[in-house]
Amino acid sequence: GAGVSQSPSNKVTEKGKDVELRCDPISGHTALYWYRQRLGQGLEFLIYFQGNSAPDKSGLPSDRFSAERTGESVSTLTIQRTQQEDSAVYLCASSPRPLDEQYFGPGTRLTVT
Amino acid sequence: RKEVEQDPGPFNVPEGATVAFNCTYSNSASQSFFWYRQDCRKEPKLLMSVYSSGNEDGRFTAQLNRASQYISLLIRDSKLSDSATYLCVVNEISNFGNEKLTFGTGTRLTIIP
Repeated sequence: GAGVSQSPSNKVTEKGKDVELRCDPISGHTALYWYRQRLGQGLEFLIYFQGNSAPDKSGLPSDRFSAERTGESVSTLTIQRTQQEDSAVYLCASSPRPLDEQYFGPGTRLTVT
Repeated sequence: RKEVEQDPGPFNVPEGATVAFNCTYSNSASQSFFWYRQDCRKEPKLLMSVYSSGNEDGRFTAQLNRASQYISLLIRDSKLSDSATYLCVVNEISNFGNEKLTFGTGTRLTIIP
């Protein structure tokens, strides 16, 4: 079946612009995670959605970052007034249940110029 | 103390050798453990789950030591294709009181011909 998909695969934007990144999880997966990975660094947790529970936003680095998910479907990560330090690969992962293995999408490579 | 800690390496190992790395975790109540593999500029992918009694998959062996709160990964007869970053994953209690999977920063392994 289809895996996790993310769009766009690459995004180049000017500093100060807003960007929206999209994640389509595997159908039926209740848990969805967003991560950021800077070049040569580990995964940085951003936000976690589990079913209809309030999302765990503890990893969002600033109020410029926000994310939404409707039910158990698509999620969008929005970065407002982008800064150069926001340049990274943004990875989305979903899992059938909270503690099951996560399946990752291919990521969106964001470059802020 | 970080929730999940790994030696970042790099580990440079000759082809055919055996290599092992550990990952320590802080939450004694953790129940889910995984090893993931991440190739350069790719998304992480599940290598294997870690079971209480230890488990083996071909050349790979994973073990759990609850008393000392660490998991280990052993790779025998290492091959050039084993070169990657290995990520340890453990379930943790989030700031919101729910459980979620937390990734270590990864151990970089390079197999030398």
